[in-house]
Amino acid sequence: KQEVTQIPAALSVPEGENLVLNCSFTDSAIYNLQWFRQDPGKGLTSLLLIQSSQREQTSGRLNASLDKSSGRSTLYIAASQPGDSATYLCAADSGAGSYQLTFGKGTKLSVIP
Amino acid sequence: EAGVTQSPTHLIKTRGQQATLRCSPISGHTSVYWYQQALGLGLQFLLWYDEGEERNRGNFPPRFSGRQFPNYSSELNVNALELEDSALYLCASSLDPLFYEQYFGPGTRLTVT
Repeated sequence: KQEVTQIPAALSVPEGENLVLNCSFTDSAIYNLQWFRQDPGKGLTSLLLIQSSQREQTSGRLNASLDKSSGRSTLYIAASQPGDSATYLCAADSGAGSYQLTFGKGTKLSVIP
Repeated sequence: EAGVTQSPTHLIKTRGQQATLRCSPISGHTSVYWYQQALGLGLQFLLWYDEGEERNRGNFPPRFSGRQFPNYSSELNVNALELEDSALYLCASSLDPLFYEQYFGPGTRLTVT
C-alpha cells in the first residue's frame, strides 16, 4: 500500500526566498508522481507531473525532482511571491495497474510580503 | 478547452438521505476518478472509472457507488448518509490512466446534518 509523507506540514518564508518542499513515498514502483496546489476551499491545480522514467520537470519558477530508488521527490520554488501562498500536495500512484493517486497531507506555504 | 466540471457546488442533506454528485471530464478524457477530502483526513481515493467500467475502489463502504456514462461523464452516489460523509468531493479526469496527468474539478461540498 502506497503511503506519502510531506515535510514540513507548514512553512512561512519572506517574499523572494527560494524554498524546497519535500515528499517521500513508500512504494517505488510508481508510474507517475504529481505535484498540486490547493487554495482554501478550492479544487486542485496540477503543477507538475513526473513520469517514472524522468528525473525532473520544470515549469516557470517551479522545479520538481524524482528519485524513485530513495522514494523521494522535491518541489523547488524560486523567488517566492505572496501569490504562491497555498497548500502544496504531492501524490503518487501505486503502479502495477493501480493508477489512483495517494496523497500526502500537504505543506501549507505562507509567503510574507 | 473546458476543464473538469462538477455539480452541484454545494449540497446539504440530512442523515439517512441519498446524495448524487456529477462530474464531466475534459473532452477526450476517458478515465474519471473520485476522491474525498474530509477535514483532517486528507485526500482519499474513492472510485476509478475507465471506458464505462469501475476499475478500482478505495477503502469505502458499498454505500458509496457510482457509474460512468457513454459520454464518459460520471455520477457518485452516497446512500444512507452519515455525518462523517461531510466533505469536499473531488472529481479528476485523465486522457489515459498511464503516464497522464489527472486534472481536478472544483469539487462538491457535501454537508450532512
